[in-house]
This record gives sequence, C-alpha cells and structure tokens, in this order.
Amino acid sequence: NAGVTQTPKFQVLKTGQSMTLQCAQDMNHNSMYWYRQDPGMGLRLIYYSASEGTTDKGEVPNGYNVSRLNKREFSLRLESAAPSQTSVYFCASSVGTANYGYTFGSGTRLTVV
Amino acid sequence: AQTVTQSQPEMSVQEAETVTLSCTYDTSESDYYLFWYKQPPSRQMILVIRQEAYKQQNATENRFSVNFQKAAKSFSLKISDSQLGDAAMYFCAYRSRVGGTSYGKLTFGQGTILTVHP
Repeated sequence: NAGVTQTPKFQVLKTGQSMTLQCAQDMNHNSMYWYRQDPGMGLRLIYYSASEGTTDKGEVPNGYNVSRLNKREFSLRLESAAPSQTSVYFCASSVGTANYGYTFGSGTRLTVV
Repeated sequence: AQTVTQSQPEMSVQEAETVTLSCTYDTSESDYYLFWYKQPPSRQMILVIRQEAYKQQNATENRFSVNFQKAAKSFSLKISDSQLGDAAMYFCAYRSRVGGTSYGKLTFGQGTILTVHP
C-alpha cells in the first residue's frame, strides 16, 4: 500500500543507548518530517527535510539527528537516549507545497527507561 | 512563529448529536491553510478537513464542517450526527503559505479528546 512506513512500531531503550527510527515513503513526496507527540502538547516538529539533500531543525531538535538518505527515506537517530525522549514519534511527508496536508506514518512508541 | 491553541482537552457527545471543537491560532500572515486531523486509538493521523485562508466559504466534508473566522483567528470543527467511530483525539493544525522558515511546516494544537456516548 502506498504511504509512509515507519519502523519499528514499539521500542524500549535503556538510558544512554542509541537507536535509529526508519521512515520511507513511496509517494514521490519532496518534503519529510519527524514529529514527537506528548500528552497535552500535541505534535512538535523535531526535524524536517524540505527536499532531498536538505535538513533543518524544528522546534525540539536537541538530542536528535536526522539523515535524508534519498528522496524516499528520512531517518531519525537518538545518539544517547534519555527518559525525556519517551514519546510517540511520527514521520510524515508532503508534496512540498503548503496547500496539502501531510501523510503520516503509523508512529513509533518509544520508551526510555 | 505561529501558535495553535485548543482550549478543550476533552469533549463528549451523545451519538447522533452535534458537537463543536474549538481552535484558535495566532499568526501575522494572511495566506495559510488550516487543518483538522483525527487520531483514533490506532494512532494513525487522518486528515478530516482543510480550509484555505483566502476562501471565505467554510469547508465541509460530509458530516464535518468548519466555522472559519479569519479576523478572530478562530477555526472550529463541527461534527454532525456523531457516530461511535468519531471517538478520537482531534488536532487543529496551521500551515504557512508564506515563503521563509515557516513555509510548509505544520504547527499543531494540543488536541481534544472526543468521547461519543451511545
């Protein structure tokens, strides 16, 4: 099925461990995004990539890095996980123009203990 | 920077009745889009409806409609004939059309949990 695929769906990490969240889209979208969702705070932008080869910080980038591997793939890396990074992470993509909404992945529930 | 505020953390409605979810936003821009997303327990984000700021006519999608008040910076969602499947978290979101660092990024409100009673 066409859309945005995120892996894994669930993950438990110990404090200090690292991991990479994977995201791929097959809709030929130019722009891709990583958000985190926390209770009472909605979704907050971590990093985004307006087009292949570019990445920029969003509202809450500290503790994260990203890689836009190619037009399809946009990964999010936690180098040294902290309990404050316990959250649900969403990847999304869009055609790049503002008159469309995003297509979201199904999310990753990450718990850091 | 734009901000989006949903002042109702939780709302409830009886099946078949109508409910309105509130959203206000703050921006200095005149050209933008507004969206409502639904997030059921499955966690999937589903686009419900969108509104273009330069259009005065309120958007409608079947049982879902909006009341867009540009001067008041208000964008409420009305759900008519509520169904059990409407139970979800609803997010209001803003997307700039103006060039610059804000272009294209979605800014979300805090969300409203809607419960539908049978």
